[in-house]
Amino acid sequence: EIVLTQSPATLSLSPGEGATLSCRASQSISAFLGWYQQKPGQAPRLLIYDANRRATGIPARFSGSASGRDFILTISSVEPEDFAVYYCQQGSDGLFRFGQGTKLEIK
Amino acid sequence: QVQLVESGGGVVQPGGSLRLSCVGTGLTFGGHGMHWVRQAPGKGLEWVTFIRYDGSDEYYADSVKGRFTIYKDNSKNTLYLQMNSLRPEDTAMYYCAKDKAVRYLDYWGQGTLVTVSS
Repeated sequence: EIVLTQSPATLSLSPGEGATLSCRASQSISAFLGWYQQKPGQAPRLLIYDANRRATGIPARFSGSASGRDFILTISSVEPEDFAVYYCQQGSDGLFRFGQGTKLEIK
Repeated sequence: QVQLVESGGGVVQPGGSLRLSCVGTGLTFGGHGMHWVRQAPGKGLEWVTFIRYDGSDEYYADSVKGRFTIYKDNSKNTLYLQMNSLRPEDTAMYYCAKDKAVRYLDYWGQGTLVTVSS
């Protein structure tokens, strides 16, 4: 069973600052990792897939990277609309599990 | 553009059954696999089940295996989730989502709420 562990649980930043969100897989998932954003009362939205490919319509300030079992979502300069919960999800073994989420909140 | 609209949620007693539906527009429904994902109140996302584009195979989370069944009617552009033997811990918002490459979920509906309570 592949487990994804996200850190930190909560990230407090001011608009304009850079954000770094982490996701670690319990075993190799190659580069089959996605990142999703969910705002209160809304459905999730796919941001990044295959670790570093932006989904359709996603702004360039969002980027993803990978090193072995460690994955990073970077927001270069946080905009007010970016405060939300972010989830990683693995697409490696056909069970599509999510991490527990990181809440990006306004400092 | 792709739109997914869920329906069928409601309040049901423990041990009861419910069938959720998800109608898709703006996509070739028969050309895509589909997922159900749920989110308990105040909690994170839990992937529930996936069906291949032609209905030839299905995958389930352990928490619902043997109780839930996913199926799709491509002629009606509709995805279903038959939920039996419901438990209080099944209480959640249920989202349907379109599959991308049998790895990701690239379009989501707005969800339908299921409450299991006596």
